[in-house]
Amino acid sequence: EIVLTQSPATLSLSPGERATLSCRASQSVSSYLAWYQQKPGQAPRLLIYDASNRATGIPARFSGSGSGTDFTLTISSLEPEDFAVYYCLQRSNALTFGGGTKVEIK
Amino acid sequence: EVQLVESGGGLVQPGGSLRLSCAASGFTFSSYSMNWVRQAPGKGLEWVSYISSSSSTIYYADSVKGRFTISRDSAKNSLYLQMNSLRAEDTAVYYCAGPLGYCSSTSCSDYWGQGTLVTVSS
Repeated sequence: EIVLTQSPATLSLSPGERATLSCRASQSVSSYLAWYQQKPGQAPRLLIYDASNRATGIPARFSGSGSGTDFTLTISSLEPEDFAVYYCLQRSNALTFGGGTKVEIK
Repeated sequence: EVQLVESGGGLVQPGGSLRLSCAASGFTFSSYSMNWVRQAPGKGLEWVSYISSSSSTIYYADSVKGRFTISRDSAKNSLYLQMNSLRAEDTAVYYCAGPLGYCSSTSCSDYWGQGTLVTVSS
C-alpha cells in the first residue's frame, strides 16, 4: 500500500499570503496525484488532478506540480474561502489519501 | 442534478455486520467507477474500496480487506458496502463517491454523497 505523507500538518497564514503544501509518496505514483479541499461539514472537492491539472471551475490561484514521489499544491494568494483542510490522493496503485494539511487563519 | 444518497448506517456492536447502500441519480451510473471513502470523527479521509464500472476490478484498503465487500447493481443504480466483523476503529462517516482523482477529456465527475454515520460500540 502506497503511503502519502503531507506536510506541514497545519499552516497558519493570513489572507493574501502564498500557501505551499507538500505531499510525499512512499514510492513513485508517476503523475497520478490529486488534491482535494474539504471544509467543515462538507464533502471534499477536487482541485487538481494528474498532479498539475485544475479541475472544472477551480480558480487559477490553485496550482499543482511534481511527479514521482514529491508533489506540491500552491495557493498563490489566499482568499478567505481557502481556509480549509487539503488532502492529496494517489491512484497509481489502488488509492490512498494523505493525512491532510489544515490551512488556518493566522 | 447528480445525487448520491447513502443509507444503512447506525449503531452496531463490535463483531457485528452492516450493509451500506448508495442510490445514484442524475448521471449514467453504469459508466462510472465508484468508491467508498470514510472519515472518523475529527480525523482525515480514508479511502475504503473501489469498484470499476463493470465490477471487473475491485480494490480494498488493507484495513478492511477480508471484512468488507463492495458491489453494485447497475439496474438499480446502486452501490453497496457489506461490512462484517466490525471494529471500534471502523466508526466513521462513510461517503459514497464517484471516480476519484481524475477528469475525463470533457468533464470532472466529482460526485460525493452526504455520508452516513457508522458507530461500532458496545
